[in-house]
Amino acid sequence: GNSVTQMEGPVTLSEEAFLTINCTYTATGYPSLFWYVQYPGEGLQLLLKATKADDKGSNKGFEATYRKETTSFHLEKGSVQVSDSAVYFCALGGYNKLIFGAGTRLAVHP
Amino acid sequence: ETGVTQTPRHLVMGMTNKKSLKCEQHLGHNAMYWYKQSAKKPLELMFVYNFKEQTENNSVPSRFSPECPNSSHLFLHLHTLQPEDSALYLCASSQSRTEMNTEAFFGQGTRLTVV
Repeated sequence: GNSVTQMEGPVTLSEEAFLTINCTYTATGYPSLFWYVQYPGEGLQLLLKATKADDKGSNKGFEATYRKETTSFHLEKGSVQVSDSAVYFCALGGYNKLIFGAGTRLAVHP
Repeated sequence: ETGVTQTPRHLVMGMTNKKSLKCEQHLGHNAMYWYKQSAKKPLELMFVYNFKEQTENNSVPSRFSPECPNSSHLFLHLHTLQPEDSALYLCASSQSRTEMNTEAFFGQGTRLTVV
């Protein structure tokens, strides 16, 4: 079946460090891929998405490229800020539902 | 109002109480979802409704009873819950899709505590 695996956290970084959160997926067909972010006490917000192979999604300095050959959609940011501290979820667009990874908590310190 | 709105934001209930969670979406979507988010566990999809019809129930205990009177409103009726049901309950909506590109929009959640 379809599934998403993302790296376990927590990930702890200093401000301005480079961020990578790994995400790989298993799917039949050609799903869209998403990254969602959840700030403390809030629901999930769509951060970025990619709908086909080699697409790059980007938003707020975050990027992820849909790699069909490695079935991956890793999230990157060149310079993180304290305000980026949150839980990040990789997701796969299934038929009428989203399939989520377990989430990765990011803590950024000044 | 825009987006997906959930009420109440916080709820404390006893194990013998009956309460309901409400979700409303103003996005013109026709699919709605309930997710459960417990501490240190992955998001659990509970129910899916498409055009008011339930299309998925992931083995959710009967003490959780969903209701979808129209495409804009979704309820989760709660009765005789257990302390382990304490969690953040998230509602989401999307356009019903046949392709694998469902993009969902989430409410802020209801933090439920069962005492």
